[in-house]
Amino acid sequence: NAGVTQTPKFRVLKTGQSMTLLCAQDMNHEYMYWYRQDPGMGLRLIHYSVGEGTTAKGEVPDGYNVSRLKKQNFLLGLESAAPSQTSVYFCASSYGSGGPNYGYTFGSGTRLTVV
Amino acid sequence: KQEVTQIPAALSVPEGENLVLNCSFTDSAIYNLQWFRQDPGKGLTSLLLIQSSQREQTSGRLNASLDKSSGRSTLYIAASQPGDSATYLCAVNTGTASKLTFGTGTRLQVTL
Repeated sequence: NAGVTQTPKFRVLKTGQSMTLLCAQDMNHEYMYWYRQDPGMGLRLIHYSVGEGTTAKGEVPDGYNVSRLKKQNFLLGLESAAPSQTSVYFCASSYGSGGPNYGYTFGSGTRLTVV
Repeated sequence: KQEVTQIPAALSVPEGENLVLNCSFTDSAIYNLQWFRQDPGKGLTSLLLIQSSQREQTSGRLNASLDKSSGRSTLYIAASQPGDSATYLCAVNTGTASKLTFGTGTRLQVTL
């Protein structure tokens, strides 16, 4: 099925550990995004990419890094995890401003707990 | 900075009732507005997208309206069903890189 796939779905990290979240889309979308969702705060944009090889900071980028080496993949890295990074992480993609549909497709999320 | 507010935060209605969810935004310079549904522990499913030049969009029992000048959108759900129980999120696209700004959602429960 076409869509956005996130791995892993669940993860528990110890403070200071590092990890990478993988997002893959098979819809040939240009734009990809990483959001985090916290209770009472809605979804907030961490980083985004408007094409292969490009990345940019969103609203809450501190403590995260990203890479988009291939058009279909967008990686989110945590170099030194902190309890404040406990959250549900969502990846999304869209065609972008030049595409036939400006709507987003979201992945099913990664639930991360940092202890 | 764009801010999106959704009222009410939670709503409980009996099955069969028609209902309206509200979304307001502070900056009227938007490209489009999207309504999503989120089930507990799940991702977001796109319901309706309204371009800035449109006034409304319909899909089945759902109708979304947009009044850009007043910074408001509504999602109308007709003849609600228990399967409509979920959190509904409103998000505005202000254009640059199609980034979305989300409201905090309305949690809807439809009771038998």
